[in-house]
Amino acid sequence: GNSVTQMEGPVTLSEEAFLTINCTYTATGYPSLFWYVQYPGEGLQLLLKATKADDKGSNKGFEATYRKETTSFHLEKGSVQVSDSAVYFCALSVRFYGGATNKLIFGTGTLLAVQP
Amino acid sequence: DAGVIQSPRHEVTEMGQEVTLRCKPISGHDYLFWYRQTMMRGLELLIYFNNNVPIDDSGMPEDRFSAKMPNASFSTLKIQPSEPRDSAVYFCASSKGTGRKGYGYTFGSGTRLTVV
Repeated sequence: GNSVTQMEGPVTLSEEAFLTINCTYTATGYPSLFWYVQYPGEGLQLLLKATKADDKGSNKGFEATYRKETTSFHLEKGSVQVSDSAVYFCALSVRFYGGATNKLIFGTGTLLAVQP
Repeated sequence: DAGVIQSPRHEVTEMGQEVTLRCKPISGHDYLFWYRQTMMRGLELLIYFNNNVPIDDSGMPEDRFSAKMPNASFSTLKIQPSEPRDSAVYFCASSKGTGRKGYGYTFGSGTRLTVV
């Protein structure tokens, strides 16, 4: 089946620290991979995406590389800020040859807390 | 673009009452999704539509839940009768395309439902 596994939180860091949130996946077909961010009281927002192996998605200083050999899509940021405090969700969208499916499967989310 | 619009933002209702949640997707998006978010179960996909047609409703928890999409610009999720365990944040999301190009979803701000 299709699933996403994220590291459990909370992840607590000091400002300017390096961030890694691990994400691995299991998928049939050829997934696209996503990171979404949810700030308190808000809906999820697309942070970055990658649609094929070795693609690197990046946005707002965050980046993640689609690693087919390790089935991973780890989120990284070189220097976090207090404003990055949020819940981060890894997700995959599965597609098939000749088919059309657009179903996103989310991980459980990882809470990031950045302290000044 | 106003984004995905959900109403109401908050709903408090008594057990046994009917609850209707509303969603207006982004114009031109052909997929619409209803998710439920709780601390215990995370994000659960309830149902999704493609071109106003329900494609997968396997996540709808019980017959008390129903969803409709009468046209491309409006969808409802109804719970009748409501129960305290239905308390959650309900998100609507929309997207364009089949997923082959890695289109992400745009989420609404959610409806926080409390059943007392």
